[in-house]
Amino acid sequence: EAGVTQFPSHSVIEKGQTVTLRCDPISGHDNLYWYRRVMGKEIKFLLHFVKESKQDESGMPNNRFLAERTGGTYSTLKVQPAELEDSGVYFCASSQEFHRGSETQYFGPGTRLLVL
Amino acid sequence: AQSVTQLDSQVPVFEEAPVELRCNYSSSVSVYLFWYVQYPNQGLQLLLKYLSGSTLVKGINGFEAEFNKSQTSFHLRKPSVHISDTAEYFCAVRTNRDDKIIFGKGTRLHILP
Repeated sequence: EAGVTQFPSHSVIEKGQTVTLRCDPISGHDNLYWYRRVMGKEIKFLLHFVKESKQDESGMPNNRFLAERTGGTYSTLKVQPAELEDSGVYFCASSQEFHRGSETQYFGPGTRLLVL
Repeated sequence: AQSVTQLDSQVPVFEEAPVELRCNYSSSVSVYLFWYVQYPNQGLQLLLKYLSGSTLVKGINGFEAEFNKSQTSFHLRKPSVHISDTAEYFCAVRTNRDDKIIFGKGTRLHILP
């Protein structure tokens, strides 16, 4: 069974440009999460989808970030326009059941974003 | 609000020696506790988790952790490390009231030959 996949693995863009990150969860997983790790800081939650609906987007830093999950399958996270402080590693995770708190979230390898 | 403190950012250990990675948490409600590991160029992988019951939790690759409610700690241990344990280890908590996992800053484990 394939794990969570993310594309691209690395992205280098200039300030002001747009970048779109993609996440493909494990097949059959209704829950999809986005997290971000800024250099030297903790991994922080961004948002949670249940199927195609946003369950919790309390961690989204500002309106330059837009997440979508078309048809409840893959998800995209768009940053427009990108700023220097957006640099970091963006992780995606998915889980199968929604037993709040206890289900295992399976993480992808992350996308390393560098904004110059 | 919940928080996680990993007291050591880096831990060097000789191969075959024991190791303990420290983790303390703060929460006003009951939490579930996790340790994740990130090997070089890979994603986060769950090592072990404490949900309830026995306070000693065994995970993959010979790791174990002990939940101590009075000290609000969840330290990770391994009796004998191998070079393949070189990785970054993250302690994390989650409550049964929301979806997000709260991570610590991570501890890099360096295995010395």
